[in-house]
Amino acid sequence: EVQLVESGGGLVQPGGSLRLSCAASGFTFSSYSMNWVRQSPGKGLEWISYVSSGSSSIYYADSVKGRFTISRDNAKNSVYLQMNSLRADDAAVYYCARNADLDYWGQGALVTVSS
Amino acid sequence: QAVLTQPSSLSASPGASASLTCTLRSGINVGTYRIYWYQQKPGSPPQYLLSYKSDSDKQQGSGVPSRFSGSKDASANAGILLISGLQSEDEADYYCMIWHSSAVVFGGGSKLTVL
Repeated sequence: EVQLVESGGGLVQPGGSLRLSCAASGFTFSSYSMNWVRQSPGKGLEWISYVSSGSSSIYYADSVKGRFTISRDNAKNSVYLQMNSLRADDAAVYYCARNADLDYWGQGALVTVSS
Repeated sequence: QAVLTQPSSLSASPGASASLTCTLRSGINVGTYRIYWYQQKPGSPPQYLLSYKSDSDKQQGSGVPSRFSGSKDASANAGILLISGLQSEDEADYYCMIWHSSAVVFGGGSKLTVL
């Protein structure tokens, strides 16, 4: 069974940093690309970033470019999202999702940005 | 103008069919894109339903009933999610998605009410 479990969410002050992790199981992680998607309360889905299976291709949404960094460790079956210079409008539930199809999603990690 | 436009809400009766549209911005030809569809219920992550590029190139998500199907309306430059035999459990938010210029783009979502 494919499982994706996000962790690392929490409360952070504006301008602060946070690192999200997504632990994968139930499939050959190193063969799949991964994505991060967020959803602000009561709002729609916003794609954040993509990393290919071997990290050779990485893409970001304009809204986070230069502030967020995606990475992965295939030995640990995990993908990460380093978030710097956080703003109030970055507050959301952050999901990791598998593959270019985004065919499996984790349960999400809540990030709150407030002073 | 948004890349993908979805009606904010629609309603249909149990047992009937519902057609959810996802209109691509002028200048973006629906014929060249694979359209993905996701269902999200309150408090849960999105679930992948299916993708559709053509009748010969389509994929159903794992465990997704065949009463969910995809198509395109080239004249309207739109992707369509058809849900037949509506059930109360189909009441949810539905999002379309495409890959455009090395980025994932989501539609704003449609809230389907089954009443």
